[in-house]
Amino acid sequence: GNSVTQMEGPVTLSEEAFLTINCTYTATGYPSLFWYVQYPGEGLQLLLKATKADDKGSNKGFEATYRKETTSFHLEKGSVQVSDSAVYFCALMPFGGSARQLTFGSGTQLTVLP
Amino acid sequence: EAGVTQSPTHLIKTRGQQATLRCSPISGHTSVYWYQQALGLGLQFLLWYDEGEERNRGNFPPRFSGRQFPNYSSELNVNALELEDSALYLCASRLGRGPEMSNEQFFGPGTRLTVL
Repeated sequence: GNSVTQMEGPVTLSEEAFLTINCTYTATGYPSLFWYVQYPGEGLQLLLKATKADDKGSNKGFEATYRKETTSFHLEKGSVQVSDSAVYFCALMPFGGSARQLTFGSGTQLTVLP
Repeated sequence: EAGVTQSPTHLIKTRGQQATLRCSPISGHTSVYWYQQALGLGLQFLLWYDEGEERNRGNFPPRFSGRQFPNYSSELNVNALELEDSALYLCASRLGRGPEMSNEQFFGPGTRLTVL
């Protein structure tokens, strides 16, 4: 079946530090890949996505590249801010078939200190 | 444009009772998904409705059920509540179910269910 393995947290960084959150997946074919962010007390917001190999998703300074050869979709940001403190979820949706729901990783709690 | 809305925001029930949670998708979206976010268990897929029909369900017992109405809003019912049903229940909507449709799901703020 489909699965997403995400870097364990929590992660604590100082403001302006470089961020990497690792994500690898198992799926057949070419799933779509997503990063969602959840701020305290809120639902999920789509941060970025990629639908095919070598696509790079980017938003708000965050980037992730769909790597088919390593089945990875690592999230990066060059300089984090305190406002980036949240829980980050990596997710996939399979292409085609009846199971067109999201499969999520376990989430990574990020805290950025001033 | 209004986003996905969910009601109520919070719901407190006792063990054995029934809970009903509601979701209104983004206008024009026909697919509605339900996910459970329980403490320590991450986000688990519960149910998927599209155009009034259940399209898929996750690994949950039959006491979790729901429906989708003609206006595409949806209801999640949880019968015979157990303590471990305490969780944040998130609803998401998507434009449609075909692979040619955008894969993006838009989430509501969730309903926090507490079972005492």
